[in-house]
Amino acid sequence: NAGVTQTPKFQVLKTGQSMTLQCAQDMNHNSMYWYRQDPGMGLRLIYYSASEGTTDKGEVPNGYNVSRLNKREFSLRLESAAPSQTSVYFCASSPGRGRADTQYFGPGTRLTVL
Amino acid sequence: GENVEQHPSTLSVQEGDSAVIKCTYSDSASNYFPWYKQELGKRPQLIIDIRSNVGEKKDQRIAVTLNKTAKHFSLHITETQPEDSAVYFCAAGGTSYGKLTFGQGTILTVHP
Repeated sequence: NAGVTQTPKFQVLKTGQSMTLQCAQDMNHNSMYWYRQDPGMGLRLIYYSASEGTTDKGEVPNGYNVSRLNKREFSLRLESAAPSQTSVYFCASSPGRGRADTQYFGPGTRLTVL
Repeated sequence: GENVEQHPSTLSVQEGDSAVIKCTYSDSASNYFPWYKQELGKRPQLIIDIRSNVGEKKDQRIAVTLNKTAKHFSLHITETQPEDSAVYFCAAGGTSYGKLTFGQGTILTVHP
C-alpha cells in the first residue's frame, strides 16, 4: 500500500515550457486535490476532483489544467510555465464521503521555472 | 469562501515546555478541523483532528480544543521535545467536497 505517489520529485523548466505532474493513489479514495506550497503562504488549492469524472477550480487555478484520468490518477498540467509557478506541488486524496475528511498527501514535486 | 488565520507564525520554546498554536475560521458551516505537521522537505502529515460535535480531543501529548461560538480552535503540545520541531498547519473544512482551507503555518522550534 503505497498511499499517494507523485512523479517527478524534482523538475527544472524554462519559461514557456510545458509539463505534466502525475499523481496516483491506491486507497480507493474518491476525492483528489492539487496544492502548491510557497514560503509563508501555507497550502493553496489549485484544483480538486470530488469524484471520478469531475474537476473544479480551487483558490489559484490560473495557468494550470487537470485531468482525472480514472479513480486512481489525477494529473496537473502547466501549459506554458512561468517563474511565478516555481513552487512545491503536493497531491492529496481523501475518502470523499460527502464531507470534509482527512487528506493524505504525496511526497511533493519541487518545480523550478527559470 | 472559508478563511483561516493562524498564529503565531513562529514559536520558540524550551524542551519540556508547552506550545499552543491558535487558528480562527470564518465559515460557520465548517465542521472538520485537522492539524498537520510538516518536517523539513517532507509531506504534511495529520497529527490530530476534531469535528464540530466535540469540544476537545487528546492524543498523548497533543490536544486540540474547539470553540464553535468564537470560531477558533487551538493545538496544545505538552512536554515538548526537539523532534516536535516542524511546521504545523491548521485547516478547516465543511461539506464542500472535502475541501480544506489551510492556515499559513507555524514554525515551531524546540530547543534542547
